[in-house]
Amino acid sequence: DAKTTQPPSMDCAEGRAANLPCNHSTISGNEYVYWYRQIHSQGPQYIIHGLKNNETNEMASLIITEDRKSSTLILPHATLRDTAVYYCIVRGGRGGSQGNLIFGKGTKLSVKP
Amino acid sequence: DAGVIQSPRHEVTEMGQEVTLRCKPISGHDYLFWYRQTMMRGLELLIYFNNNVPIDDSGMPEDRFSAKMPNASFSTLKIQPSEPRDSAVYFCASRGQGTGELFFGEGSRLTVL
Repeated sequence: DAKTTQPPSMDCAEGRAANLPCNHSTISGNEYVYWYRQIHSQGPQYIIHGLKNNETNEMASLIITEDRKSSTLILPHATLRDTAVYYCIVRGGRGGSQGNLIFGKGTKLSVKP
Repeated sequence: DAGVIQSPRHEVTEMGQEVTLRCKPISGHDYLFWYRQTMMRGLELLIYFNNNVPIDDSGMPEDRFSAKMPNASFSTLKIQPSEPRDSAVYFCASRGQGTGELFFGEGSRLTVL
């Protein structure tokens, strides 16, 4: 599986957009990019995933570069409840379903008032 | 759907005692995962099942740990005998075929004294 690199921590002002980067320079053509987050003391929560095209849902947007070597998760209007650890994971297989998900250290996002 | 259900939410036990953690996956999901999370090691995959069959148990720390899935709606993770270093939050997660979207339970916080 492709390895991912994320900054260990980031701050964001409440109400502003939070842009969380992820580097996955060794990603292969059939691997998906998945994002999860973990709010303190809770289980990880799925946010969004994508293969090539940019994706948007009610929680966030995912921007994948044309060469697919990096991506950015965007929380358009961060709130205090978005304070969490955000994990970027790359997975192969149909829909990114191959095997299991391995969680790295992620990015700790702190949203400040 | 009630989501992934884990029990107990909290367990405090003494070293040497047997611990059994339980998980009910989301109905219709074919895959079930057991993860362990500590401050030092982060989120680690212990074992996962597909259609009730263990697929990869390479993350199980040692013979003191065992996991079973007797049917599609129930799994257990057993530690016998327990040790203080087993103290952690244990998460169960499930997903369906053809997707990498995992649904996590709220976790079982284990403290071994």
